[in-house]
Amino acid sequence: DQQVKQNSPSLSVQEGRISILNCDYTNSMFDYFLWYKKYPAEGPTFLISISSIKDKNEDGRFTVFLNKSAKHLSLHIVPSQPGDSAVYFCAASRKEYGNKLVFGAGTILRVKS
Amino acid sequence: NAGVTQTPKFRILKIGQSMTLQCTQDMNHNYMYWYRQDPGMGLKLIYYSVGAGITDKGEVPNGYNVSRSTTEDFPLRLELAAPSQTSVYFCASSGGSNYGYTFGSGTRLTVV
Repeated sequence: DQQVKQNSPSLSVQEGRISILNCDYTNSMFDYFLWYKKYPAEGPTFLISISSIKDKNEDGRFTVFLNKSAKHLSLHIVPSQPGDSAVYFCAASRKEYGNKLVFGAGTILRVKS
Repeated sequence: NAGVTQTPKFRILKIGQSMTLQCTQDMNHNYMYWYRQDPGMGLKLIYYSVGAGITDKGEVPNGYNVSRSTTEDFPLRLELAAPSQTSVYFCASSGGSNYGYTFGSGTRLTVV
């Protein structure tokens, strides 16, 4: 049972345009959501997070939106840069789960110059 | 500042062999985790620890064992390697609830 789903395996965007990566979840008890970025042959690195009490969090070019009623979150990257090309993982946790993260399958983002 | 260090980076095992994947962190984090990533799949939690001497199973613990004798180290043991354990293994640590993980660079394991 996949509790966190990233239905788009890949996304291709032109440099300078907006990248939108989507994530859906099924467990309404999740209270914290995170995005990780992963380059080949490296471990994932933390990108941005959002608590379930918020609907938006912004950090520079990266913004995460949370729609709790739809159990959906998205990551916006504006403007996209070639260095953003990587695999992006959505993850969710619940306080009672002891900070264990449940990950989606990832979306490969390619930013074309 | 090393963060989370995993060794080895690559390993080929024969079916039935055993090995230990090493993980150490220098951030004094209480929480440590082992995940595996299979092609086209997200990271699946194998085992985790909330502090020295405390470990618990994750989503896919079968075929693995862990120990946590110190805050810094969290080794993962494969006793009888099987082809299904071919994967990339990531160790991670965290300072606590709602803190992002710091991941190691991974160990790519192939069982033949």
